[in-house]
Amino acid sequence: DIQMTQSPASLSASLGETVTIECLASEDIYSNLAWYQQKPGKSPQLLIYDASSLQDGVPSRFSGSESGTQYSLEINSLQSEDAATYFCQQHHDYPFTFGSGTKLEIK
Amino acid sequence: EVKLLESGGGLVQPGGSMRLSCAASGFTFTDFYMYWIRQPAGKAPEWLGFIRNKANGYTTEYNPSVKGRFTISRDNTQNMLYLQMNTLRAEDTATYYCARPGIGDWFAYWGQGTLVTVSS
Repeated sequence: DIQMTQSPASLSASLGETVTIECLASEDIYSNLAWYQQKPGKSPQLLIYDASSLQDGVPSRFSGSESGTQYSLEINSLQSEDAATYFCQQHHDYPFTFGSGTKLEIK
Repeated sequence: EVKLLESGGGLVQPGGSMRLSCAASGFTFTDFYMYWIRQPAGKAPEWLGFIRNKANGYTTEYNPSVKGRFTISRDNTQNMLYLQMNTLRAEDTATYYCARPGIGDWFAYWGQGTLVTVSS
């Protein structure tokens, strides 16, 4: 199975700041990576697919990038509604696997 | 509007069986692969498997972690997706989601989930 190592496990940032969440794949996944946002009691919502493609309706302050097997989610100009847990997911090979999650707190 | 609505969760004893359902609407059901994903409380989601679309013969793929115990099926006349779970264990306790992919194997649409608790 492809392992997705996500970091940090949690972070706290202020309104208007920029944060970066990372996922390291255990092997090449050829940009086949998605990012999801999950708020308490809700199902995950797709933010980014194919490493850097923004899902329809997602604010442009969310962006994805990659460098080798390292994938990043950047959130610019943090808003209060960005408080959530974020997961990465590789969709390159079965079984599809998720990162362990990053809980983002807004100060 | 795409809608997915799971049902059938609840409390089941270890070793028991349960069938979950997912009612789909707002899209041409037979055109899409359909997925099941679960998430234990406070943990990451886990992909369980999928059933392919009409063009690909409705075949299935499973996570090895549940292969042989879980079976995914679909009723294309009713736009329903099913997950049959057998020989349930405490570690199967989770919220179970059905999901529809986007153009690729990412999960563009999720249901609200149904909670399965395996306990005596």
